[in-house]
Amino acid sequence: AAGVIQSPRHLIKEKRETATLKCYPIPRHDTVYWYQQGPGQDPQFLISFYEKMQSDKGSIPDRFSAQQFSDYHSELNMSSLELGDSALYFCATRGTGLNEKLFFGSGTQLSVL
Amino acid sequence: AQTVTQSQPEMSVQEAETVTLSCTYDTSESDYYLFWYKQPPSRQMILVIRQEAYKQQNATENRFSVNFQKAAKSFSLKISDSQLGDAAMYFCAYKNFGNEKLTFGTGTRLTIIP
Repeated sequence: AAGVIQSPRHLIKEKRETATLKCYPIPRHDTVYWYQQGPGQDPQFLISFYEKMQSDKGSIPDRFSAQQFSDYHSELNMSSLELGDSALYFCATRGTGLNEKLFFGSGTQLSVL
Repeated sequence: AQTVTQSQPEMSVQEAETVTLSCTYDTSESDYYLFWYKQPPSRQMILVIRQEAYKQQNATENRFSVNFQKAAKSFSLKISDSQLGDAAMYFCAYKNFGNEKLTFGTGTRLTIIP
C-alpha cells in the first residue's frame, strides 16, 4: 500500500542556508501536519494544512514557511538555518473522515553544520 | 492547552514478560482521541493503538492493550509477551475531536532483556 513519502531522507546544510522539505501524502489524504523532533525530544507540531489552506499553526519560527499544493503535496521551506534547526522533520497525513487515522512519513533528517 | 505526561523516561522488561507504560493527560474537552506510537531506532513513527474517549471499552491490538481511565485522565499501555522487536521509544499522544494536531508526551524508552 502507498505510504506517506518524504524527501529527501537526509539533508545537510550550513548555517544561514535554506532548505526545502517535501511531503507527498497517501492518495485521497487532504490534510498534512508537519512536526519537528529534536535529538532526544518528543515531536513538536509546526503547522498543518487542510484542502490547501493553513488550518493550524504551532511553534513554527518565522524563518519557516509551508504550503500545500493543488496535488496535496506539501513543502516546508526553511531559511537562515541555525544549528538548532537540526532535527528530524516528520509529516503526517490523513483523510477527511473524522475517524481517519494519521499516517506518518519516515521523516527528513536535517543536519545544520 | 492540552498536555501529555509520561513519567517513566525508561523501562525495561524481560522477554516474554508483561510491561505497562504510564501516561496521563490534561484536557477540558470531552471528545478526544488518545494514541500510543512506537518509534524504533529507524525513527519511523508507528501507530500502536488508538482509543476514542467516548468508548468505554479499552482498545486492544493483539499483544497491546490499554487501560483508559477517563475520569482520572490516565491512558496506560500494556504489552504482553514482550518481544525483542518491541524495543523502541513509546510516545503517548492526544488529539482533540476533529481535524486537529497531535500533542505528544516526552516518551518512554523501552528495553527488552533477552
